[in-house]
Amino acid sequence: NAGVTQTPKFQVLKTGQSMTLQCAQDMNHNSMYWYRQDPGMGLRLIYYSASEGTTDKGEVPNGYNVSRLNKREFSLRLESAAPSQTSVYFCASSEHARGAWKLFFGSGTQLSVL
Amino acid sequence: GQQLNQSPQSMFIQEGEDVSMNCTSSSIFNTWLWYKQEPGEGPVLLIALYKAGELTSNGRLTAQFGITRKDSFLNISASIPSDVGIYFCAGQRSGTASKLTFGTGTRLQVTL
Repeated sequence: NAGVTQTPKFQVLKTGQSMTLQCAQDMNHNSMYWYRQDPGMGLRLIYYSASEGTTDKGEVPNGYNVSRLNKREFSLRLESAAPSQTSVYFCASSEHARGAWKLFFGSGTQLSVL
Repeated sequence: GQQLNQSPQSMFIQEGEDVSMNCTSSSIFNTWLWYKQEPGEGPVLLIALYKAGELTSNGRLTAQFGITRKDSFLNISASIPSDVGIYFCAGQRSGTASKLTFGTGTRLQVTL
């Protein structure tokens, strides 16, 4: 009963380094998302994938790229990390029921960029 | 992007007390969702509201979809220590979940 699994849990990068955050879901959901969470800002959408083979920008996409590898996996890549990207990152997938989209979140990746 | 206004930002209450928090927007939403986030974890869905005026309960939690469709309320009765966390509201218009807008959160602390 894993749900949404994210790795790594914690990461420290130096400015300019690159890294990929991995996400996988086992609920057979079509849609997947990457959010970042900053103090006092709530959750802000970085990128989403409505279905396998498609990706779209969210509210704060600059500095990030994504890959929807297959229906289960959706990765987030930082090509050249900046201190402004220090945040907690959450992956989510969603199901549609009664006209509403319900998001299911992973446990997050805490990223620090020095 | 738009953020929903949640209040209060934080609450310190004693075990056994009732809690009320709300979420307001300048825009109309078709659906309201309430999430709880515990330390080190992702948000977990508590309650979903689908139409204006709807009142829905989940154990000690009760949430209401405002008549104007611009606000929602969450009440927790007889709080216990495990209620500690950050509570987020989220409003959704029609379309995909990419149209979900989150509130800034209410941090709840419960003392014995």
